[in-house]
Amino acid sequence: EAGVVQSPRYKIIEKKQPVAFWCNPISGHNTLYWYRQNLGQGPELLIRYENEEAVDDSQLPKDRFSAERLKGVDSTLKIQPAELGDSAVYLCASSKSGPSYNEQFFGPGTRLTVL
Amino acid sequence: QKEVEQDPGPLSVPEGAIVSLNCTYSNSAFQYFMWYRQYSRKGPELLMYTYSSGNKEDGRFTAQVDKSSKYISLFIRDSQPSDSATYLCAMSDNQGGKLIFGQGTELSVKP
Repeated sequence: EAGVVQSPRYKIIEKKQPVAFWCNPISGHNTLYWYRQNLGQGPELLIRYENEEAVDDSQLPKDRFSAERLKGVDSTLKIQPAELGDSAVYLCASSKSGPSYNEQFFGPGTRLTVL
Repeated sequence: QKEVEQDPGPLSVPEGAIVSLNCTYSNSAFQYFMWYRQYSRKGPELLMYTYSSGNKEDGRFTAQVDKSSKYISLFIRDSQPSDSATYLCAMSDNQGGKLIFGQGTELSVKP
């Protein structure tokens, strides 16, 4: 069974530029999560999707971040414009719904560097 | 104060040692407790998953939860160099889905 796929793995951009990250979850997982992990810290949830619906986006900085999961499968997270403080690893995770919410499977992440 | 506190280490032990990793938390609503292992430049990998208080064993790994003390532990027996990684504790309440992570403990097992 394929795991969570993310691309790109690495991205270096200048500040104020836009950037997008893509995630394809494990087949059959209805719930998709985007986390941000700063250096030396644990991941922090940005947004959670149940199928196409964003059910928790309370931690997403909506002035510059946006996300979509149009067909309830893969998802894109966008930052526009990027700031220096956005440098981090962006992790995508997926899980089955219900009691399996807490058994989340993570992708390898996209390491973003903003110069 | 963070909801979940974890000693960042780094922790260095010789091969074969017993390793104890710990987290404390402040939110009494947490019911689900996880331990993830994260190798350098990889995503976190779920190691152990427990519900409420008690112990759970899986091979060389044992997870303990003491809700009365708001304290969880992960023990690694007969540690191996391949166990060298960052270990993250994570917790959630009955709402499900939103994991709160500790900052991770970096472990190095020396041959």
